[in-house]
Amino acid sequence: DAGITQSPRHKVTETGTPVTLRCHQTENHRYMYWYRQDPGHGLRLIHYSYGVKDTDKGEVSDGYSVSRSKTEDFLLTLESATSSQTSVYFCAISGPTGAAYSGANVLTFGAGSRLTVL
Amino acid sequence: AQRVTQPEKLLSVFKGAPVELKCNYSYSGSPELFWYVQYSRQRLQLLLRHISRESIKGFTADLNKGETSFHLKKPFAQEEDSAMYYCALRRNAGNMLTFGGGTRLMVKP
Repeated sequence: DAGITQSPRHKVTETGTPVTLRCHQTENHRYMYWYRQDPGHGLRLIHYSYGVKDTDKGEVSDGYSVSRSKTEDFLLTLESATSSQTSVYFCAISGPTGAAYSGANVLTFGAGSRLTVL
Repeated sequence: AQRVTQPEKLLSVFKGAPVELKCNYSYSGSPELFWYVQYSRQRLQLLLRHISRESIKGFTADLNKGETSFHLKKPFAQEEDSAMYYCALRRNAGNMLTFGGGTRLMVKP
């Protein structure tokens, strides 16, 4: 479905433990993103990547790190999970930019990963 | 800084009634606006974008730069329109979207 998968889909962990979420795409898209979805806040960008080993921070990056060692995989790591990081995490991908491309700037989302930190 | 505001967290209408989901933005440049929708148990997906000037599933949205708004409208709501709707803005540089807080639309029979 849309060539983007997230794992795990559900995870319960304890405060202070490390957690890694994986996003895998088969579309060969350049851009990949991690968002978190919280009631009342909508979706907020955590980190994004514009190529292999090229990443940058979003608006809520504190407490999170990312890595992209190959085009198809984008990992989100919580080094020491806190209860405030309980959320639904969405990965998204987007292809080439530019008005000439009909799919330019359109994000395709994964199914989401629900993380609960106790 | 850019910002997207959706003032209504919940909008409830009866089937067949008109619906308007409000979206206001703040951005000094030339924005690109989108509406995304998330139906129950489905992925977030693009509904429409302002540069396409199209109607999808009966929904339309017009970018009003004077009022900095991009409201989503449908003349006759259907039960299957019940979903979470997000307005999003892309700056004219870069490829990131800023999302509003979302509006849950409930269409009652």
